Amino acid sequence: NAGVTQTPKFRILKIGQSMTLQCAQDMNHNYMYWYRQDPGMGLKLIYYSVGAGITDKGEVPNGYNVSRSTTEDFPLRLELAAPSQTSVYFCASSPSGGANEKLFFGSGTQLSVL
Amino acid sequence: KQEVTQIPAALSVPEGENLVLNCSFTDSAIYNLQWFRQDPGKGLTSLLLIQSSQREQTSGRLNASLDKSSGRSTLYIAASQPGDSATYLCAVSTGNQFYFGTGTSLTVIP
Repeated sequence: NAGVTQTPKFRILKIGQSMTLQCAQDMNHNYMYWYRQDPGMGLKLIYYSVGAGITDKGEVPNGYNVSRSTTEDFPLRLELAAPSQTSVYFCASSPSGGANEKLFFGSGTQLSVL
Repeated sequence: KQEVTQIPAALSVPEGENLVLNCSFTDSAIYNLQWFRQDPGKGLTSLLLIQSSQREQTSGRLNASLDKSSGRSTLYIAASQPGDSATYLCAVSTGNQFYFGTGTSLTVIP
């Protein structure tokens, strides 16, 4: 049981390039999330999804897009990368957002935009 | 908007000491509060979850308490060990979203 898998682990982008961060979970969780973690700033929610075909914005969605065509996959798309998007990105999931459900995280993608 | 604060930002203790980490939040309308551990270069691992109707949860040497009315939670670590060295984050859930504190970096000195 792999849990939440993120690829790639590291990536360097040039300003203006685009890329997709991949996230997959094998726990049949309905809820999935994308966070970014900046040094000393805690985790900020970018987008989340409560099920296939349903996505919604979090606190910091500008410059990002997501899709959720299957329960398992929740890719994050960066269009026209900017230095402000240099961060560590985490994908997370939970079964159905219930009050007794823990949040499960992937190991993260460290992205640098130069 | 929910704001989550953790104090102290960093803590260094000798091995064997008991310690308390603090978490405060501004809006008491929460589903639950979770404490996470994050090791350098790794993701977050959920340690304890306290539902809004509960007062505390225990797992091994860890005990987390929740006082929703005052917007506070504490994580108590008994008999600390060098392997406990990590960053500890708390997060509150409002249903669809989680709000995270900035974490406490703990170092346990052998």
